[in-house]
Amino acid sequence: GAGVSQSPSNKVTEKGKDVELRCDPISGHTALYWYRQSLGQGLEFLIYFQGNSAPDKSGLPSDRFSAERTGGSVSTLTIQRTQQEDSAVYLCASRLTGTANQPQHFGDGTRLSIL
Amino acid sequence: GENVEQHPSTLSVQEGDSAVIKCTYSDSASNYFPWYKQELGKRPQLIIDIRSNVGEKKDQRIAVTLNKTAKHFSLHITETQPEDSAVYFCAASINTPLVFGKGTRLSVIA
Repeated sequence: GAGVSQSPSNKVTEKGKDVELRCDPISGHTALYWYRQSLGQGLEFLIYFQGNSAPDKSGLPSDRFSAERTGGSVSTLTIQRTQQEDSAVYLCASRLTGTANQPQHFGDGTRLSIL
Repeated sequence: GENVEQHPSTLSVQEGDSAVIKCTYSDSASNYFPWYKQELGKRPQLIIDIRSNVGEKKDQRIAVTLNKTAKHFSLHITETQPEDSAVYFCAASINTPLVFGKGTRLSVIA
């Protein structure tokens, strides 16, 4: 079946603009995660959605970052007033349940470049 | 919270040799330990995982060992091939989300 889908694959924007990144998880997966990967670095957790529960926002680096998940499926990560340090690959992952022992499956990511 | 350390950061091996990557974690409550392979410009792909009730797991040329007492786990790749060249990430989880190590860049030299 289809995997995790992210769009756009690349986004170039000017400093100060707002951007929206989209994630379409695997059908039936109730858990959805956003991570950020800076060049040559590891994966930094941003936010986690599990079913209808309140999201875990503990990884968001500032209040310029927000995310929502509509209808328990598609998620949008929004970055307001972008800064150059926001440049990174933003990865989305989904999981069948919120249980720890189920694997996370990643999308191809959105490469965000702030000029 | 959980903290995962991964070593080495880079590793070069001759084709056919074995490669070992080691990770330590801080929270003894962590119970799930996956390994991901990420080729340049591509998504991380799960290659193997282990639960805390198991000490070792093997899948063809790849094996993972877990020592809960010492809070460390390792990835072993035998008979390495050029296509094994990639960045490998370990991770640990109590529930979710995963906490990742900083990655190991493996180069297999033909």
